[in-house]
Amino acid sequence: GENVEQHPSTLSVQEGDSAVIKCTYSDSASNYFPWYKQELGKRPQLIIDIRSNVGEKKDQRIAVTLNKTAKHFSLHITETQPEDSAVYFCAASIGSGYSTLTFGKGTMLLVSP
Amino acid sequence: EADIYQTPRYLVIGTGKKITLECSQTMGHDKMYWYQQDPGMELHLIHYSYGVNSTEKGDLSSESTVSRIRTEHFPLTLESARPSHTSQYLCASSEWEGRGGHNEQFFGPGTRLTVL
Repeated sequence: GENVEQHPSTLSVQEGDSAVIKCTYSDSASNYFPWYKQELGKRPQLIIDIRSNVGEKKDQRIAVTLNKTAKHFSLHITETQPEDSAVYFCAASIGSGYSTLTFGKGTMLLVSP
Repeated sequence: EADIYQTPRYLVIGTGKKITLECSQTMGHDKMYWYQQDPGMELHLIHYSYGVNSTEKGDLSSESTVSRIRTEHFPLTLESARPSHTSQYLCASSEWEGRGGHNEQFFGPGTRLTVL
């Protein structure tokens, strides 16, 4: 089955800096890669996703890049703010009706003012 | 408003009790999931369902069982709770991709279970 590795497990940055979280996956058939943000005490919520026919996707301060050859994808957050502090999970799926998401172990991002 | 609802939100019970965690969604989704998550930690898939009368075991071995008699309802049952079951349980749902839907999973608020 699919295996998703996520690094780093914790990341501390100063407000205004950029943050990068990286994930690798094992199943070359995977073609859907979402990122979820989970604030303390709240439910995970999708913040951005990318499909295998796209190499990069951007939404305001967040962007995701995908390298299918190397089987890795990354989340980039620019101009970080304290409200970006949360646990971020990457995931991968083959995107068929019978597939499920395989999540990474999560990255705790702390943005200090 | 379309959402996913979980009850109870918090539950403290004694060892050996039978419990059922409720999950209902008004999203109109076919697929539903149960995850176990310790605070700030990874999400472990324990059960999922493609639709009515469909139930599958996830990646994490679990002593719980699920049922899917109605599309909107996916309860999880522990026949005999133990302290090792202490955790947060998150329910989620998503569209069926075969209908051109997205894979995005929407999560409920979770049930925090403590077994004494």
